[in-house]
Amino acid sequence: DTGVSQDPRHKITKRGQNVTFRCDPISEHNRLYWYRQTLGQGPEFLTYFQNEAQLEKSRLLSDRFSAERPKGSFSTLEIQRTEQGDSAMYLCASNPSSGNTIYFGEGSWLTVV
Amino acid sequence: AQSVAQPEDQVNVAEGNPLTVKCTYSVSGNPYLFWYVQYPNRGLQFLLKYITGDNLVKGSYGFEAEFNKSQTSFHLKKPSALVSDSALYFCAVRDDAAGSNYQLIWGAGTKLIIKP
Repeated sequence: DTGVSQDPRHKITKRGQNVTFRCDPISEHNRLYWYRQTLGQGPEFLTYFQNEAQLEKSRLLSDRFSAERPKGSFSTLEIQRTEQGDSAMYLCASNPSSGNTIYFGEGSWLTVV
Repeated sequence: AQSVAQPEDQVNVAEGNPLTVKCTYSVSGNPYLFWYVQYPNRGLQFLLKYITGDNLVKGSYGFEAEFNKSQTSFHLKKPSALVSDSALYFCAVRDDAAGSNYQLIWGAGTKLIIKP
């Protein structure tokens, strides 16, 4: 399977701890997106990369959130000092710059206790 | 302002009957329209899209959608529903107007329940 891969699929952490999620996009997709989704809601845009450049970041994204894509391939999303309100599914998606359709991974569930 | 509306939180259909999941949009330029499906605890799967061309687009799993410019709608349809179609369906739009970004605007989702 050469789809978008996310790891870990599930993470339970205590409030105040840091967590990191990894995303491996579809090979040769130079655009990569992070979204957050809570139960019963649509995806909420967090940030977007073209190659290694982070081109857009949601104003809703607090400074506890940081994302990187150092070599223009995989990406990491780190949440520092987690809060209970961070509990959600974090979705990664990718597409080539020549295409309109974005393809999602299976998501990483975060539960902050 | 760009927006997407899915007016029904839930749609109930008997197996074998036709189904429609509604979506209306508002953009300043030409719309790029998408439907995605999400099964419990899974990511979103792409179903179909309209960019240009025929107003009726066909997608995965027997789904189709009709683009109606005058009504600014992009309703998802299937002639004969299956129990396995039960899932959460999301409509999304991207505006191709100059100055817009690449971001998709998402509807709130419609839960489709197919009863045997």
